Amino acid sequence: KAGVTQTPRYLIKTRGQQVTLSCSPISGHRSVSWYQQTPGQGLQFLFEYFSETQRNKGNFPGRFSGRQFSNSRSEMNVSTLELGDSALYLCASTAQGGYGYTFGSGTRLTVV
Amino acid sequence: QKEVEQDPGPLSVPEGAIVSLNCTYSNSAFQYFMWYRQYSRKGPELLMYTYSSGNKEDGRFTAQVDKSSKYISLFIRDSQPSDSATYLCAMSSYNFNKFYFGSGTKLNVKP
Repeated sequence: KAGVTQTPRYLIKTRGQQVTLSCSPISGHRSVSWYQQTPGQGLQFLFEYFSETQRNKGNFPGRFSGRQFSNSRSEMNVSTLELGDSALYLCASTAQGGYGYTFGSGTRLTVV
Repeated sequence: QKEVEQDPGPLSVPEGAIVSLNCTYSNSAFQYFMWYRQYSRKGPELLMYTYSSGNKEDGRFTAQVDKSSKYISLFIRDSQPSDSATYLCAMSSYNFNKFYFGSGTKLNVKP
């Protein structure tokens, strides 16, 4: 059974640019969540999608957005990148939003 | 104040030692408690989960939850170098709408 796949693995962008990250959940999983992980703040919840609808949202500015497609694949977009957006972005899926996530390996975003 | 507090370490122990990792939390609505292990350059992987208070054992790992003290623990017996990783606690209320993570404790088990 394939795990959660995130692409790309590494990304370097310039301040002011925008970026789109992709996540393919485990087959059959309909809930996809996104987290930002930094050494100082740890794992911070961005948003959760279930059946193409945003079901929950964390405390991030509107520059961070996401969507989910009918096949449960999800994308997140960050516009007008800032240096502080440099982080590991993790996607996680669950079957119905259950007790435990399966995480992908993440996308390491560096903003210069 | 953060919802979940976890000592970042690092924690360095000799092989074979018993390791104790802990988290405290402030939200009494949390019902589900999880421990994740994260190796370098990898995403976190679920180690154990418990519901409400009590103990749960799985091989060398034991998870404890004390809801009255808002305190959870993960014990690792006979620690191995392969246990060297960052351990994150996580918790959620009954509807799983959002998970709250600790900042992670980095563990190093020396051969």
